[in-house]
Amino acid sequence: RKEVEQDPGPFNVPEGATVAFNCTYSNSASQSFFWYRQDCRKEPKLLMSVYSSGNEDGRFTAQLNRASQYISLLIRDSKLSDSATYLCVVPEMDSSYKLIFGSGTRLLVRP
Amino acid sequence: NAGVTQTPKFQVLKTGQSMTLQCAQDMNHEYMSWYRQDPGMGLRLIHYSVGAGITDQGEVPNGYNVSRSTTEDFPLRLLSAAPSQTSVYFCASSYRRSSGSSHEQFFGPGTRLTVL
Repeated sequence: RKEVEQDPGPFNVPEGATVAFNCTYSNSASQSFFWYRQDCRKEPKLLMSVYSSGNEDGRFTAQLNRASQYISLLIRDSKLSDSATYLCVVPEMDSSYKLIFGSGTRLLVRP
Repeated sequence: NAGVTQTPKFQVLKTGQSMTLQCAQDMNHEYMSWYRQDPGMGLRLIHYSVGAGITDQGEVPNGYNVSRSTTEDFPLRLLSAAPSQTSVYFCASSYRRSSGSSHEQFFGPGTRLTVL
């Protein structure tokens, strides 16, 4: 099993839709998780951190299910500007400053 | 406060040439790292450093060297470029971890390298 797995997509949704991505991870000891956003040909930037059961920031909600070892990202009321690749990031097994990046889920929001 | 800077933005090399990708940060971060990103494969860790004078290998270190003589700078050297090293290279930095939690990593804008 890969350490971090994501559905590559693309998810193609209309403006205003709600969309959710899942990410599974293999390190059951991980304490913190991240969702990064990466625009085309740009560097990844932190979107949300998840340290407990979940986190909410405006239209974005991240949830953590430790029993099943997955993290989800929910985007409500999608905007055109949400079109990007979303990277799930989990600390490596023996080091919380070495991060393992999923290959990303691509989101396309259409007018 | 410039954050993480990388130079050059673009580079074309011939097979066998060597070069150094520069990375600098002005946030006084202890931890710095180099990743490469290839289509469909996500970011893979090449080398990392937890402080000046300390470096270690990541997932894909072969063909690359690093050094960390100062907190601010973390250059990546390609010893003898190969077409398989064609990729986008990102440098990142963060505060060193505290017990039980990770810190956000800040990325530079990347260097797009093509090896012919």
